[in-house]
Amino acid sequence: DAGVIQSPRHEVTEMGQEVTLRCKPISGHNSLFWYRQTMMRGLELLIYFNNNVPIDDSGMPEDRFSAKMPNASFSTLKIQPSEPRDSAVYFCASSPGLAGGLFLFGPGTRLTVL
Amino acid sequence: AQSVTQPDIHITVSEGASLELRCNYSYGATPYLFWYVQSPGQGLQLLLKYFSGDTLVQGIKGFEAEFKRSQSSFNLRKPSVHWSDAAEYFCAVGLYNQGGKLIFGQGTELSVKP
Repeated sequence: DAGVIQSPRHEVTEMGQEVTLRCKPISGHNSLFWYRQTMMRGLELLIYFNNNVPIDDSGMPEDRFSAKMPNASFSTLKIQPSEPRDSAVYFCASSPGLAGGLFLFGPGTRLTVL
Repeated sequence: AQSVTQPDIHITVSEGASLELRCNYSYGATPYLFWYVQSPGQGLQLLLKYFSGDTLVQGIKGFEAEFKRSQSSFNLRKPSVHWSDAAEYFCAVGLYNQGGKLIFGQGTELSVKP
């Protein structure tokens, strides 16, 4: 397995533009997580899915952020409209479940909003 | 509320010296505990994890960690540090009653002197 795949790896956009980040979890993993990493706030959980269903989105900062998981092999995190304070590294992670012990991260997408 | 504390923001050790990175957690049940390492510009790599059983767990790259329930701690150790160990280290607690999501500490940055 190629591991968790994220695209793009880097994204530079202008304030007000829509940004879509993509994630392909490891096959067979039924939980998917989106994290954001910044210097000020460290690693924050934004949202997680279990069996494609959003379970906890309490970490989503505001309505400009939305996430979907239309099937077991694909998830998106969308920011519309983007703002400079959204600049961060966004990580996707997947897990086979509660006792799987294989909570694995993708390489991250570095987002810069000018 | 669940939380993870890494008291040391930055640690510097000499190459060949021993290392201990501290981690304390707050969680109302038996935790799943993890240590991850992140090199600059890279994603997070799992070093080791504790679910149950032997409280001393071995990980990759010569690292080990010991779970001490009485102290709510899960400190990371390495007997002899190599220059390539310079990175940021994150401790995390897995919430098995919340889909297995991970709550991270703020991280400890490790520098290695030649």
